[in-house]
Amino acid sequence: DAGVIQSPRHEVTEMGQEVTLRCKPISGHNSLFWYRQTMMRGLELLIYFNNNVPIDDSGMPEDRFSAKMPNASFSTLKIQPSEPRDSAVYFCASSLAEGGEQYFGPGTRLTVT
Amino acid sequence: GENVEQHPSTLSVQEGDSAVIKCTYSDSASNYFPWYKQELGKGPQLIIDIRSNVGEKKDQRIAVTLNKTAKHFSLHITETQPEDSAVYFCAASSEEYGNKLVFGAGTILRVKS
Repeated sequence: DAGVIQSPRHEVTEMGQEVTLRCKPISGHNSLFWYRQTMMRGLELLIYFNNNVPIDDSGMPEDRFSAKMPNASFSTLKIQPSEPRDSAVYFCASSLAEGGEQYFGPGTRLTVT
Repeated sequence: GENVEQHPSTLSVQEGDSAVIKCTYSDSASNYFPWYKQELGKGPQLIIDIRSNVGEKKDQRIAVTLNKTAKHFSLHITETQPEDSAVYFCAASSEEYGNKLVFGAGTILRVKS
């Protein structure tokens, strides 16, 4: 099993640019989660999907953040426009069912200058 | 909402000794408590979890205990090895709040050889 796949692994961009992070969950998993990790705030849940439907986006910090899951094997997290305070490691995780064990991807380290 | 506190923030032990990390949670409805290990540059890895219907669970050198009355749970690592050095996170979730994981701030464990 390939596990959760995220791309890119590293992204450096300038303030104001659009950033798109990608995630492929473990095959057969029905729930997908996007997290952000920073030194100051730790691991925070941004949004999660169940069967491709967004269930809770209360963790999305601002309207500049959006997430989609067009099918069971792909999700994106978009930041437009990006700001330096968005610099963090963004993780995607998936689970077999809602409330089940979550498995994390390797993360995308985003740096906004 | 749920709040999870984790102690200590750093822990140094000698190889072969035991390590204990403690977490407390605020929401009595929480019923799922996983522990994650995160190595440098990698995503969190699920190492053990416990649900509220049991008080203890073991997996080789790792054990987790849960005290629902006191609302705290602990991770115990016996016979520590240098490869146990990492950041450990506890988390809690409840069906009442959509099974969203709320993470503790993390514990940096250093095993000295």
